[in-house]
Amino acid sequence: TQLLEQSPQFLSIQEGENLTVYCNSSSVFSSLQWYRQEPGEGPVLLVTVVTGGEVKKLKRLTFQFGDARKDSSLHITAAQPGDTGLYLCAGAGSNSGYALNFGKGTSLLVTP
Amino acid sequence: NAGVTQTPKFQVLKTGQSMTLQCAQDMNHEYMSWYRQDPGMGLRLIHYSVGAGITDQGEVPNGYNVSRSTTEDFPLRLLSAAPSQTSVYFCASSRTGGGVYGYTFGSGTRLTVV
Repeated sequence: TQLLEQSPQFLSIQEGENLTVYCNSSSVFSSLQWYRQEPGEGPVLLVTVVTGGEVKKLKRLTFQFGDARKDSSLHITAAQPGDTGLYLCAGAGSNSGYALNFGKGTSLLVTP
Repeated sequence: NAGVTQTPKFQVLKTGQSMTLQCAQDMNHEYMSWYRQDPGMGLRLIHYSVGAGITDQGEVPNGYNVSRSTTEDFPLRLLSAAPSQTSVYFCASSRTGGGVYGYTFGSGTRLTVV
């Protein structure tokens, strides 16, 4: 199993603050994906990064894939209460038929 | 499109009972997989399939069987339920491997084994 470590595990911030979530591994992945999960629902894909050094922006969310394709980060600018949820990083590798290996997640709470 | 449909949404089993969790997708995706989500453990891969007729074990396969007779369906069978199998189960599908397209998840089955 290729392990993914996410940090921090929990994050509670006020509306308007910025934050960064990290996802690290000792293994190389063909791609890293970020998902957001709300209570009682399945994870929903936010972004996929496949090229080392790649940066993708999705409105106030910025995703980066490390040069060595072992780590990734998610930066949220000016967080809003609607950003509250569980953020999961997941790596896809050639083992396990490209099924996903997940980190344990970062639980984000944004208060007004 | 319905996406990935999981049934039932909730289930309570007695220890030793068997049951099948259903998963169906209507996107013609080749790759499908089953995960369980437990507090503090994240999502862990149970079984996966890279196409009809092809299945393989993931990280935590013991106590579960799968089959993939069609592209659309990927049922998960619990042979003899144990309290340790109390969890939330998610089915997911993807167009191809390589992780380029991402996975679409169902809304989950919450299983309690008493």
